[in-house]
Amino acid sequence: AQTVTQSQPEMSVQEAETVTLSCTYDTSESDYYLFWYKQPPSRQMILVIRQEAYKQQNATENRFSVNFQKAAKSFSLKISDSQLGDAAMYFCAYRAYSGGSNYKLTFGKGTLLTVNP
Amino acid sequence: DADVTQTPRNRITKTGKRIMLECSQTKGHDRMYWYRQDPGLGLRLIYYSFDVKDINKGEISDGYSVSRQAQAKFSLSLESAIPNQTALYFCATSDPPLNEQFFGPGTRLTVL
Repeated sequence: AQTVTQSQPEMSVQEAETVTLSCTYDTSESDYYLFWYKQPPSRQMILVIRQEAYKQQNATENRFSVNFQKAAKSFSLKISDSQLGDAAMYFCAYRAYSGGSNYKLTFGKGTLLTVNP
Repeated sequence: DADVTQTPRNRITKTGKRIMLECSQTKGHDRMYWYRQDPGLGLRLIYYSFDVKDINKGEISDGYSVSRQAQAKFSLSLESAIPNQTALYFCATSDPPLNEQFFGPGTRLTVL
């Protein structure tokens, strides 16, 4: 079974600085998707960024980028120029690319990010 | 209007009561899901449905049941609520082949 581990329950960053959130996963699949979701105090789950495992290039979305290390099964999220609105719980998630379980998202336990002014 | 809606947004109930959480979507997706979120545990899958006639248990289905009344509606029921079912519940939808999941706003349920 796939597992997703976020080893940092909490992180903090100063406004305008850069922070990196860690995620590791375990799978026997070769093709899969990895995601970072943001959950602000409003509770809404918001997709931040997606990475396809078959793509070597790291995904980027504005100030958000990932460092995807397939061999190490590592998928970290870097937030540059942190803003107060980035304060949220961040979840790393895994989904198989194909096959009978390709619908299922497996989540990590989350990292609570605080942004200090 | 939101693509995935959940009602109620907050609910407080007592042990032993039956309660239903409802989810509606306007995205036209066939696949719908119910997740539960507990502090420090992330989101865990309770039930999922690939279409109106296809309903499946997730990893933590004990104590819950579901009904897929239509393509757009998927309800989660607690037949006899207990305090450890106090949690935040999310509905989500997706469509193959990409299967990207879109989440509702969540329902915070408290069982006293």
